[in-house]
Amino acid sequence: AQSVSQHNHHVILSEAASLELGCNYSYGGTVNLFWYVQYPGQHLQLLLKYFSGDPLVKGIKGFEAEFIKSKFSFNLRKPSVQWSDTAEYFCAVINITSGTYKYIFGTGTRLKVLA
Amino acid sequence: EPEVTQTPSHQVTQMGQEVILRCVPISNHLYFYWYRQILGQKVEFLVSFYNNEISEKSEIFDDQFSVERPDGSNFTLKIRSTKLEDSAMYFCASTVERGTHNEQFFGPGTRLTVL
Repeated sequence: AQSVSQHNHHVILSEAASLELGCNYSYGGTVNLFWYVQYPGQHLQLLLKYFSGDPLVKGIKGFEAEFIKSKFSFNLRKPSVQWSDTAEYFCAVINITSGTYKYIFGTGTRLKVLA
Repeated sequence: EPEVTQTPSHQVTQMGQEVILRCVPISNHLYFYWYRQILGQKVEFLVSFYNNEISEKSEIFDDQFSVERPDGSNFTLKIRSTKLEDSAMYFCASTVERGTHNEQFFGPGTRLTVL
């Protein structure tokens, strides 16, 4: 079955620390990859997306992610987090090759940034 | 900037009652989706809809669920006889095309509480 894994379920960092959240998916072929953020009580907001081309993508709020096809990974990074980055982060994948276009979401990572 | 809208933002209902959740996708979009997120869990795909037909549905989307595009702008999700376990946030999404670039645009969600 198709699956998306986010290994870090809860992360606690101090302000200015660097962040890396892991995301791995379970199938080959062509994929579209996304990271969404969900602030408390709010809806999903797109941070960044990868369709093709340069595997290093830059998103909003200083986030970036790197697609490593050989590792089936799309890890999210930010060099220096802020208190306002406290939120839940979801990785999502569309498996183009399968012919379905639904998002498969990871289980999410709750990030808490201490001021 | 065009956006997906959903009404109501919060719906409280008694177990066994019917509910209809409404979505207005972005006007030129052709593909529509419903996802749900039970509190504390990941976002799960329910159903996709194109050309007035269901394209794909998940195991969650049983006979109690139905979708409709009644008037060319609204996209509705109906739950015929709600159960306690239907309590969740329901997100509508839409996209203009399906191919190699498949970003879905999400609405703010409807929080459904079944008592």
